[in-house]
Amino acid sequence: SQQGEEDPQALSIQEGENATMNCSYKTSINNLQWYRQNSGRGLVHLILIRSNEREKHSGRLRVTLDTSKKSSSLLITASRAADTASYFCATDGKAGNTPLVFGKGTRLSVIA
Amino acid sequence: GAGVSQSPSNKVTEKGKDVELRCDPISGHTALYWYRQSLGQGLEFLIYFQGNSAPDKSGLPSDRFSAERTGGSVSTLTIQRTQQEDSAVYLCASSYRTGAYNEQFFGPGTRLTVL
Repeated sequence: SQQGEEDPQALSIQEGENATMNCSYKTSINNLQWYRQNSGRGLVHLILIRSNEREKHSGRLRVTLDTSKKSSSLLITASRAADTASYFCATDGKAGNTPLVFGKGTRLSVIA
Repeated sequence: GAGVSQSPSNKVTEKGKDVELRCDPISGHTALYWYRQSLGQGLEFLIYFQGNSAPDKSGLPSDRFSAERTGGSVSTLTIQRTQQEDSAVYLCASSYRTGAYNEQFFGPGTRLTVL
């Protein structure tokens, strides 16, 4: 069964605005990751947040994790047209290398 | 260094034919994963190899699907007697065993079209 569910399914914003995407999951996790996908091809890892972390930053990205609500958010600040892509959250419920469980993604369009 | 590579990048086949998809993981990565992504959908886990352990095949949708990993490196995903519903992008990923950290590096995928 699907673990992560992203919200919204699609988001369209103007360049320079902030974009916020949310992810909810069902079971306990070790970590939660966000990935980006351009044009339906390979995914690129953006950021990983461990279950004992609440917030993490990487450049223009800010990720929060609320394990009590089983939810995470990805904030992209000062968006650019090049940020246009699909964004997926993925969870790992076990230690070690295990298959990630992905949501269906949020399709972000940044309009110049 | 080189990333994960997959071949072919595109494959068009007729219903009922067998296809083989190849994945070359990043050198030194002990774990290799296959996922499938249908149009507009998330990734569906298919199979996972970790070192010399028996693979986790729990995601394979039917016995028409199988995968091998030779020498702990290259992997081949085989789909026998392809059906139209097998049309999707097949993604391979690899990772280095780092305990609870599990960043996966993805290849560009193989787009399979079954006519």
